[in-house]
Amino acid sequence: NAGVMQNPRHLVRRRGQEARLRCSPMKGHSHVYWYRQLPEEGLKFMVYLQKENIIDESGMPKERFSAEFPKEGPSILRIQQVVRGDSAAYFCASSPPYGTGANVLTFGAGSRLTVL
Amino acid sequence: AQTVTQSQPEMSVQEAETVTLSCTYDTSENNYYLFWYKQPPSRQMILVIRQEAYKQQNATENRFSVNFQKAAKSFSLKISDSQLGDTAMYFCAFIIIQGAQKLVFGQGTRLTINP
Repeated sequence: NAGVMQNPRHLVRRRGQEARLRCSPMKGHSHVYWYRQLPEEGLKFMVYLQKENIIDESGMPKERFSAEFPKEGPSILRIQQVVRGDSAAYFCASSPPYGTGANVLTFGAGSRLTVL
Repeated sequence: AQTVTQSQPEMSVQEAETVTLSCTYDTSENNYYLFWYKQPPSRQMILVIRQEAYKQQNATENRFSVNFQKAAKSFSLKISDSQLGDTAMYFCAFIIIQGAQKLVFGQGTRLTINP
């Protein structure tokens, strides 16, 4: 049973380009979360999605950032017109839809974005 | 506001010693889970141990145990017989049950186990 799969592991972009980060949740998990980790800091919540629905995006910057979790395929975190301050590790996590496991998130290995 | 505070940015102990990492948190909710996550140099976030707030008994997982003091909102992690592979960043976190599904993390403690 594969865990949470994120790709790419490393992404380098120049200022102004777009970054797309992908996340496939664990099998049986229908809830996906994105977190951002700046250097030497803890993870900060960005967005919580279920299939075709954004449940909570209160941690997302108002501009340039968007997330989706389509009916088919992985969840995508998209950052348009990247700036140096977007350089960070972006973690995806997933959880099952119900039961005690719904509150226990399994994390992927993260995608490290570097903006030149 | 919901916050987690880890007051020890760095700690270092010798292999086989016991080490305790401290964590305090703040929430007005009564039902939540508490977690300790480990992040080794690979950056993978690994769940070490979890505690349901409604349980008085402290959780244990092999060499890892917690001291959960709900009234004091304290949740420390004890690592016994520490091993070189325990070297990592350790993050304390909590999530409100049936809430917004947001894990709130502390700033982390960098633990180094010396041979």
